[in-house]
Amino acid sequence: NAGVTQTPKFQVLKTGQSMTLQCAQDMNHEYMSWYRQDPGMGLRLIHYSVGAGITDQGEVPNGYNVSRSTTEDFPLRLLSAAPSQTSVYFCASRDLGIYNEQFFGPGTRLTVL
Amino acid sequence: AQSVTQPDIHITVSEGASLELRCNYSYGATPYLFWYVQSPGQGLQLLLKYFSGDTLVQGIKGFEAEFKRSQSSFNLRKPSVHWSDAAEYFCAVAEGGSYIPTFGRGTSLIVHP
Repeated sequence: NAGVTQTPKFQVLKTGQSMTLQCAQDMNHEYMSWYRQDPGMGLRLIHYSVGAGITDQGEVPNGYNVSRSTTEDFPLRLLSAAPSQTSVYFCASRDLGIYNEQFFGPGTRLTVL
Repeated sequence: AQSVTQPDIHITVSEGASLELRCNYSYGATPYLFWYVQSPGQGLQLLLKYFSGDTLVQGIKGFEAEFKRSQSSFNLRKPSVHWSDAAEYFCAVAEGGSYIPTFGRGTSLIVHP
Protein backbone atom coordinates (compact mmCIF):
# COMPACT_ATOMS: atom_id res chain seq x y z
CA ASN A 1 0.00 0.00 0.00
CA ALA A 2 1.90 3.05 -1.27
CA GLY A 3 -0.70 5.62 -0.23
CA VAL A 4 -0.55 8.83 -2.28
CA THR A 5 2.35 9.13 -4.69
CA GLN A 6 3.45 12.17 -6.65
CA THR A 7 5.90 12.56 -9.50
CA PRO A 8 8.18 14.27 -10.11
CA LYS A 9 9.64 15.39 -6.77
CA PHE A 10 11.32 18.42 -8.32
CA GLN A 11 10.84 20.22 -11.61
CA VAL A 12 12.23 23.35 -13.23
CA LEU A 13 10.33 24.90 -16.13
CA LYS A 14 10.78 27.90 -18.33
CA THR A 15 7.97 30.41 -18.67
CA GLY A 16 5.46 29.20 -21.23
CA GLN A 17 6.32 25.53 -21.00
CA SER A 18 3.66 22.99 -20.17
CA MET A 19 3.84 19.98 -17.91
CA THR A 20 1.75 17.52 -15.95
CA LEU A 21 2.17 16.74 -12.28
CA GLN A 22 1.18 13.17 -11.58
CA CYS A 23 -0.78 11.97 -8.56
CA ALA A 24 -1.91 8.43 -7.84
CA GLN A 25 -3.48 6.71 -4.83
CA ASP A 26 -4.06 3.04 -4.16
CA MET A 27 -6.62 3.36 -1.36
CA ASN A 28 -9.70 3.50 -3.62
CA HIS A 29 -10.54 6.98 -2.34
CA GLU A 30 -13.26 8.86 -4.18
CA TYR A 31 -12.09 12.33 -3.21
CA MET A 32 -8.81 13.72 -4.51
CA SER A 33 -7.49 17.25 -4.50
CA TRP A 34 -4.56 19.44 -5.42
CA TYR A 35 -3.11 22.17 -3.21
CA ARG A 36 -0.33 24.63 -3.62
CA GLN A 37 1.74 25.73 -0.67
CA ASP A 38 3.47 29.10 -0.65
CA PRO A 39 5.40 30.69 2.23
CA GLY A 40 3.06 32.37 4.68
CA MET A 41 -0.02 31.33 2.68
CA GLY A 42 -0.73 27.88 4.03
CA LEU A 43 -2.33 25.44 1.62
CA ARG A 44 -4.68 26.70 -1.04
CA LEU A 45 -6.98 24.42 -2.96
CA ILE A 46 -6.51 24.38 -6.73
CA HIS A 47 -8.93 21.69 -7.98
CA TYR A 48 -10.69 18.72 -6.52
CA SER A 49 -12.62 15.66 -7.62
CA VAL A 50 -15.29 13.58 -5.88
CA GLY A 51 -15.03 10.68 -8.30
CA ALA A 52 -14.01 9.59 -11.78
CA GLY A 53 -15.32 12.03 -14.37
CA ILE A 54 -16.15 14.73 -11.79
CA THR A 55 -13.90 17.71 -11.10
CA ASP A 56 -14.42 21.18 -9.70
CA GLN A 57 -12.47 24.33 -9.04
CA GLY A 58 -11.01 25.32 -5.73
CA GLU A 59 -9.73 28.65 -4.49
CA VAL A 60 -6.92 29.20 -7.03
CA PRO A 61 -7.76 27.30 -10.26
CA ASN A 62 -6.45 29.75 -12.87
CA GLY A 63 -3.64 28.36 -15.00
CA TYR A 64 -4.32 24.74 -14.04
CA ASN A 65 -6.38 21.95 -15.56
CA VAL A 66 -7.32 18.59 -14.14
CA SER A 67 -9.09 15.46 -15.25
CA ARG A 68 -10.16 12.29 -13.45
CA SER A 69 -10.49 9.37 -15.82
CA THR A 70 -9.85 6.73 -13.16
CA THR A 71 -10.34 6.52 -9.40
CA GLU A 72 -6.60 6.14 -8.87
CA ASP A 73 -5.15 9.03 -10.88
CA PHE A 74 -5.62 12.79 -10.71
CA PRO A 75 -3.07 14.65 -12.84
CA LEU A 76 -2.60 18.41 -12.67
CA ARG A 77 -1.70 20.20 -15.90
CA LEU A 78 0.03 23.52 -16.29
CA LEU A 79 -0.69 24.62 -19.85
CA SER A 80 1.65 27.62 -19.97
CA ALA A 81 3.79 27.93 -16.87
CA ALA A 82 4.31 31.32 -15.25
CA PRO A 83 6.75 32.36 -12.49
CA SER A 84 3.73 32.89 -10.20
CA GLN A 85 3.21 29.13 -10.32
CA THR A 86 6.49 28.50 -8.56
CA SER A 87 5.34 26.60 -5.50
CA VAL A 88 5.16 23.26 -3.75
CA TYR A 89 2.23 21.19 -4.92
CA PHE A 90 0.50 18.58 -2.81
CA CYS A 91 -2.01 15.98 -3.85
CA ALA A 92 -4.37 14.51 -1.26
CA SER A 93 -7.08 11.86 -1.14
CA ARG A 94 -9.75 10.63 1.28
CA ASP A 95 -12.92 8.62 1.48
CA LEU A 96 -16.22 10.40 1.02
CA GLY A 97 -19.02 10.00 3.51
CA ILE A 98 -18.19 10.61 7.14
CA TYR A 99 -15.34 13.04 7.20
CA ASN A 100 -12.21 10.99 7.13
CA GLU A 101 -8.56 11.80 7.24
CA GLN A 102 -7.00 13.29 4.16
CA PHE A 103 -3.81 11.55 3.10
CA PHE A 104 -1.21 13.76 1.50
CA GLY A 105 1.47 12.92 -1.01
CA PRO A 106 5.09 14.00 -0.46
CA GLY A 107 4.80 17.02 -2.75
CA THR A 108 6.30 18.33 -5.98
CA ARG A 109 8.56 21.36 -5.80
CA LEU A 110 8.12 23.36 -9.00
CA THR A 111 10.24 26.31 -10.09
CA VAL A 112 9.27 28.39 -13.11
CA LEU A 113 12.03 30.61 -14.47
CA ALA B 1 -17.47 31.35 4.40
CA GLN B 2 -15.28 29.42 6.75
CA SER B 3 -11.85 30.79 7.63
CA VAL B 4 -8.99 29.90 9.93
CA THR B 5 -6.52 32.15 11.70
CA GLN B 6 -3.25 31.02 13.19
CA PRO B 7 -1.98 34.19 14.84
CA ASP B 8 1.57 32.98 15.44
CA ILE B 9 3.85 32.61 12.43
CA HIS B 10 6.73 31.27 14.52
CA ILE B 11 6.88 29.79 18.01
CA THR B 12 10.13 29.01 19.77
CA VAL B 13 10.25 26.72 22.80
CA SER B 14 12.91 24.87 24.72
CA GLU B 15 12.96 21.10 24.66
CA GLY B 16 10.89 19.80 27.57
CA ALA B 17 8.76 22.93 27.83
CA SER B 18 5.03 22.94 27.26
CA LEU B 19 3.51 24.09 24.00
CA GLU B 20 0.30 25.75 22.91
CA LEU B 21 -0.40 26.67 19.29
CA ARG B 22 -3.38 28.90 18.69
CA CYS B 23 -6.10 28.45 16.13
CA ASN B 24 -9.27 30.53 15.69
CA TYR B 25 -11.95 29.79 13.16
CA SER B 26 -14.89 31.56 11.68
CA TYR B 27 -17.92 29.44 10.91
CA GLY B 28 -21.53 29.65 12.01
CA ALA B 29 -22.38 26.07 12.87
CA THR B 30 -20.29 23.42 14.56
CA PRO B 31 -17.22 22.98 12.42
CA TYR B 32 -15.04 20.01 11.77
CA LEU B 33 -11.58 20.94 13.04
CA PHE B 34 -8.19 19.45 12.33
CA TRP B 35 -4.55 19.85 13.17
CA TYR B 36 -1.89 18.67 10.73
CA VAL B 37 1.88 18.56 11.06
CA GLN B 38 4.37 18.94 8.24
CA SER B 39 7.94 17.89 8.83
CA PRO B 40 10.57 19.51 6.59
CA GLY B 41 10.32 18.26 3.02
CA GLN B 42 7.32 16.09 3.79
CA GLY B 43 3.61 16.08 3.17
CA LEU B 44 1.03 16.78 5.85
CA GLN B 45 0.09 14.25 8.52
CA LEU B 46 -3.09 14.39 10.58
CA LEU B 47 -2.44 14.90 14.31
CA LEU B 48 -6.04 14.99 15.53
CA LYS B 49 -9.55 15.98 14.61
CA TYR B 50 -12.75 17.16 16.26
CA PHE B 51 -16.25 16.49 14.95
CA SER B 52 -18.46 16.47 18.03
CA GLY B 53 -18.67 15.21 21.61
CA ASP B 54 -15.86 15.59 24.09
CA THR B 55 -14.22 18.96 23.48
CA LEU B 56 -10.78 17.71 24.50
CA VAL B 57 -9.37 15.45 21.83
CA GLN B 58 -6.27 13.35 21.96
CA GLY B 59 -4.05 12.85 18.96
CA ILE B 60 -0.88 11.16 17.94
CA LYS B 61 2.61 11.99 19.22
CA GLY B 62 1.27 13.16 22.60
CA PHE B 63 -0.68 16.13 21.24
CA GLU B 64 -4.13 17.22 22.36
CA ALA B 65 -6.47 20.02 21.38
CA GLU B 66 -9.46 21.64 23.02
CA PHE B 67 -12.49 22.96 21.19
CA LYS B 68 -13.92 26.10 22.80
CA ARG B 69 -17.07 27.21 21.04
CA SER B 70 -17.36 30.44 23.05
CA GLN B 71 -13.91 31.51 21.86
CA SER B 72 -14.10 29.95 18.38
CA SER B 73 -10.79 28.32 19.15
CA PHE B 74 -9.14 24.95 18.73
CA ASN B 75 -5.71 25.28 20.32
CA LEU B 76 -3.13 22.53 20.10
CA ARG B 77 -1.16 21.58 23.20
CA LYS B 78 1.64 19.31 24.26
CA PRO B 79 2.93 19.12 27.84
CA SER B 80 6.57 18.45 26.98
CA VAL B 81 8.07 19.22 23.59
CA HIS B 82 10.72 17.02 21.98
CA TRP B 83 13.28 18.22 19.45
CA SER B 84 11.57 16.02 16.84
CA ASP B 85 8.41 18.13 17.17
CA ALA B 86 10.08 20.95 15.22
CA ALA B 87 7.84 21.30 12.17
CA GLU B 88 5.11 23.37 10.57
CA TYR B 89 1.66 23.00 12.11
CA PHE B 90 -1.57 23.69 10.28
CA CYS B 91 -5.05 24.12 11.64
CA ALA B 92 -7.94 23.42 9.27
CA VAL B 93 -11.71 23.77 9.39
CA ALA B 94 -14.46 22.23 7.29
CA GLU B 95 -18.17 22.83 7.28
CA GLY B 96 -20.26 19.94 8.43
CA GLY B 97 -20.67 17.53 5.53
CA SER B 98 -18.10 19.32 3.41
CA TYR B 99 -15.20 17.50 1.87
CA ILE B 100 -13.17 20.64 1.59
CA PRO B 101 -11.17 21.99 4.53
CA THR B 102 -9.78 25.50 4.69
CA PHE B 103 -6.26 25.65 6.04
CA GLY B 104 -4.64 28.27 8.20
CA ARG B 105 -1.34 29.79 7.17
CA GLY B 106 0.62 27.60 9.54
CA THR B 107 2.80 28.04 12.61
CA SER B 108 6.44 27.11 12.46
CA LEU B 109 7.65 25.47 15.68
CA ILE B 110 11.32 25.86 16.57
CA VAL B 111 12.67 23.74 19.41
CA HIS B 112 15.82 24.79 21.24
CA PRO B 113 17.90 22.11 22.99
